[in-house]
Amino acid sequence: SQQGEEDPQALSIQEGENATMNCSYKTSINNLQWYRQNSGRGLVHLILIRSNEREKHSGRLRVTLDTSKKSSSLLITASRAADTASYFCATPSNTGKLIFGQGTTLQVKP
Amino acid sequence: GAGVSQTPSNKVTEKGKYVELRCDPISGHTALYWYRQSLGQGPEFLIYFQGTGAADDSGLPNDRFFAVRPEGSVSTLKIQRTERGDSAVYLCASSSPTGSPLRTDTQYFGPGTRLTVL
Repeated sequence: SQQGEEDPQALSIQEGENATMNCSYKTSINNLQWYRQNSGRGLVHLILIRSNEREKHSGRLRVTLDTSKKSSSLLITASRAADTASYFCATPSNTGKLIFGQGTTLQVKP
Repeated sequence: GAGVSQTPSNKVTEKGKYVELRCDPISGHTALYWYRQSLGQGPEFLIYFQGTGAADDSGLPNDRFFAVRPEGSVSTLKIQRTERGDSAVYLCASSSPTGSPLRTDTQYFGPGTRLTVL
């Protein structure tokens, strides 16, 4: 089963613009993670935010977490064509398995 | 160092056949996960190994699916009597658990095996 919804399902922007993706989840969490996937294959871990954190930065990535609303957002600033990919949020269960959202497909046009 | 590898990268089979998908985790990683991803969806959990034992197999859809990890390293996902609905990308991930109850361990994913059942 999927953890929740991500929106938008698809996003198309011009290079240099910012991209914002949102994720909602259903259950209480210890942390929330964002992954990137190119061409429908292997996922790459981008960033992890703990439940007691509200915002975290990594390079051009900014993640926020609102546990009261059970939602998170991923902001990619100054996007590049190479950022074109699918982005997923995921939360770990108490056994460590990840429960993923449905993902946002981002296209960055050069 | 080498990442997670999966073989084959693509597998085409006929309905009713048996298939095996292999995962080589990162050396030293004791935790290994299998996920399945259908087109346009996020990955869905199948099974989790800690060492040689399956610690959580709650995601296996039915008894046609089985996975092993006999020596605590390589794992094989086995699907009997394949059905067209089994067509998906099968992803493997490994991690080195820190034992943190906050479950902050990063999972490293392989490139996946694309299974097509005709």
